[in-house]
Amino acid sequence: DAMVIQNPRYQVTQFGKPVTLSCSQTLNHNVMYWYQQKSSQAPKLLFHYYDKDFNNEADTPDNFQSRRPNTSFCFLDIRSPGLGDAAMYLCATSRVLQETQYFGPGTRLLVL
Amino acid sequence: AQSVTQPDIHITVSEGASLELRCNYSYGATPYLFWYVQSPGQGLQLLLKYFSGDTLVQGIKGFEAEFKRSQSSFNLRKPSVHWSDAAEYFCAVGSSGGSYIPTFGRGTSLIVHP
Repeated sequence: DAMVIQNPRYQVTQFGKPVTLSCSQTLNHNVMYWYQQKSSQAPKLLFHYYDKDFNNEADTPDNFQSRRPNTSFCFLDIRSPGLGDAAMYLCATSRVLQETQYFGPGTRLLVL
Repeated sequence: AQSVTQPDIHITVSEGASLELRCNYSYGATPYLFWYVQSPGQGLQLLLKYFSGDTLVQGIKGFEAEFKRSQSSFNLRKPSVHWSDAAEYFCAVGSSGGSYIPTFGRGTSLIVHP
C-alpha cells in the first residue's frame, strides 16, 4: 500500500544534541510537510517542500531545518534541541497544496 | 486567508449514542473542507472531505458531514458511536481558489463512556 513512513517512531536526545527525523513516501506526491504537535494541540506547520522548493513558515525557529534530497524522502533536522522542542513531529504529503494530506504515524521526540 | 473554529474542546458520549462535532469556517469562496481523526500516539487519518457537489459527504468508519454554506459549518456526525471512536478529531479548511495549505482547527477530543 502507498504510504508515509516515519523513522524512528520514538527518539530520545539530549539537550543541545542535534537530531534528525526521517520521512519517506511511496505516494509520489509533490508536496511534503513537517508539523510539530504538542499535547492536546493542533498540528503546527513548520515548513513544506513543493518539489524542490522549500517554504518556511514565518514563525518556525532557525533551530529547525529540512532537507529533501529526492521526491521520496524528507528530513527534519533540529540543530540544538531544547526542552521546549519535545513534541510529536508529523510528516505529511499531498499531491498539490490545497488537497488532501496523508500523514505518517509521527515521531515522538523526548529531550532530556 | 481561511480560518476554522472547533468550539468544543471535549465531547463525552455514551457508547451507542449519536455524535455531532462542530466545525465553523471562515473563507470568502467555496472552501475545501476536511475532517481528520487522530488516535493516541498516531498520525492523522482522513475521515472525509468536501470539495464540491453533494453537501452531505460520507466518510470512513460510518461518519458523515454536511456542508452548510449559510451557516459556514461542516459538522461531523455519526449515528452510533463505538468505544474505538475515542480519539482527537480535527477539522481543516482549504481554499478552492488558490494554492493554500489547509488550516487546522484546534481539535475536539471525543471521550466514549461504556
